[in-house]
Amino acid sequence: GIQVEQSPPDLILQEGANSTLRCNFSDSVNNLQWFHQNPWGQLINLFYIPSGTKQNGRLSATTVATERYSLLYISSSQTTDSGVYFCAVRSYGNKLVFGAGTILRVKS
Amino acid sequence: GAGVSQSPSNKVTEKGKDVELRCDPISGHTALYWYRQSLGQGLEFLIYFQGNSAPDKSGLPSDRFSAERTGGSVSTLTIQRTQQEDSAVYLCASSLESGGGTGELFFGEGSRLTVL
Repeated sequence: GIQVEQSPPDLILQEGANSTLRCNFSDSVNNLQWFHQNPWGQLINLFYIPSGTKQNGRLSATTVATERYSLLYISSSQTTDSGVYFCAVRSYGNKLVFGAGTILRVKS
Repeated sequence: GAGVSQSPSNKVTEKGKDVELRCDPISGHTALYWYRQSLGQGLEFLIYFQGNSAPDKSGLPSDRFSAERTGGSVSTLTIQRTQQEDSAVYLCASSLESGGGTGELFFGEGSRLTVL
């Protein structure tokens, strides 16, 4: 089945810093999503982005499907950005497969 | 409701008992997923229902686990003879799928199961 690798596994930022999270996947996909799991365990949809670039406030994401990777950019980080960021992908007709996540800690 | 609804939000049970977890997907969504997340871990796929197709049960960890989806809507995940290693948060998600499976998944808040 499709493999999903996220990097880095852990990241500590000072409030106000920028960061880039990466998601590599092993096969063609027709669905890619980024989620933020907050400290209370809730999974929040950030982006549905099987290809192209999207922006939402301080967050943006780019997926280059032909090269099998996606990037999540966080600018001017805030303490509320802390949590786990998951990338999940799906190849045609199959289940959504999650990466292991990136644990982000933003310090004030 | 507008989102995916799961119940109970918390369940504490004794080893060996059976439990049922319920998921009510977003109205009109054709696909429904169950995932499991153990403490500090990632999301583990359990089962996937899509319309009238046979479910993908490839993630169920043992024959003590089963799930059904009645009328293409509400789903129940049943765990028989619970074990301590079954303790986890069980997450349900739904999506509106088109051909080839391109729908965005939306998750419920999960059911936290603790087996004593």
